[in-house]
Amino acid sequence: GQQLNQSPQSMFIQEGEDVSMNCTSSSIFNTWLWYKQDPGEGPVLLIALYKAGELTSNGRLTAQFGITRKDSFLNISASIPSDVGIYFCAGQLYSGGGADGLTFGKGTHLIIQP
Amino acid sequence: DGGITQSPKYLFRKEGQNVTLSCEQNLNHDAMYWYRQDPGQGLRLIYYSQIVNDFQKGDIAEGYSVSREKKESFPLTVTSAQKNPTAFYLCASSIAGYNEQFFGPGTRLTVL
Repeated sequence: GQQLNQSPQSMFIQEGEDVSMNCTSSSIFNTWLWYKQDPGEGPVLLIALYKAGELTSNGRLTAQFGITRKDSFLNISASIPSDVGIYFCAGQLYSGGGADGLTFGKGTHLIIQP
Repeated sequence: DGGITQSPKYLFRKEGQNVTLSCEQNLNHDAMYWYRQDPGQGLRLIYYSQIVNDFQKGDIAEGYSVSREKKESFPLTVTSAQKNPTAFYLCASSIAGYNEQFFGPGTRLTVL
């Protein structure tokens, strides 16, 4: 299947710092989604993006759908301890069809040092 | 409360045995999905169903089977043909035609 390149693989930051992570692909996507997963739990949807260039916020989180439709980034401002977890990007390939399965990146593991 | 439930949370089976993982949703979603997650990896699609009595293979369907007899339920059977079945299995659902998928809490399967 298609691959999403998510980076960085892990981040060690201080509480209060801003965080930035991104996903890129060689394929065009018509939807980008960002999820957060806590250990042993299912992913929770954070932000969904549907239009090229779209910039969407959810509290301290901001995500953008790249103009080329091949990338997306997620920013977290003023990180707090509960932000710890694994963040996944996921995309729906541009196929013109209905909602099929998503393609996931391998995740960014966020670790916050107090 | 609306949501997706998966049971059990932890499952142990002997090698060579088939095992069925449960997934139920009361969100009235038409589409349901099964993903597999291995340590340090993203999620990989096993099977998905956009409507009752219809389902399609995902990227890693070999050794798995599904059924969709009811809108609310999408059970996954891990057969003895699956060479490396130990993994974290996640079920998701979405409104038909929409890409936002909502996940259950997962089932961790360990084959001894």
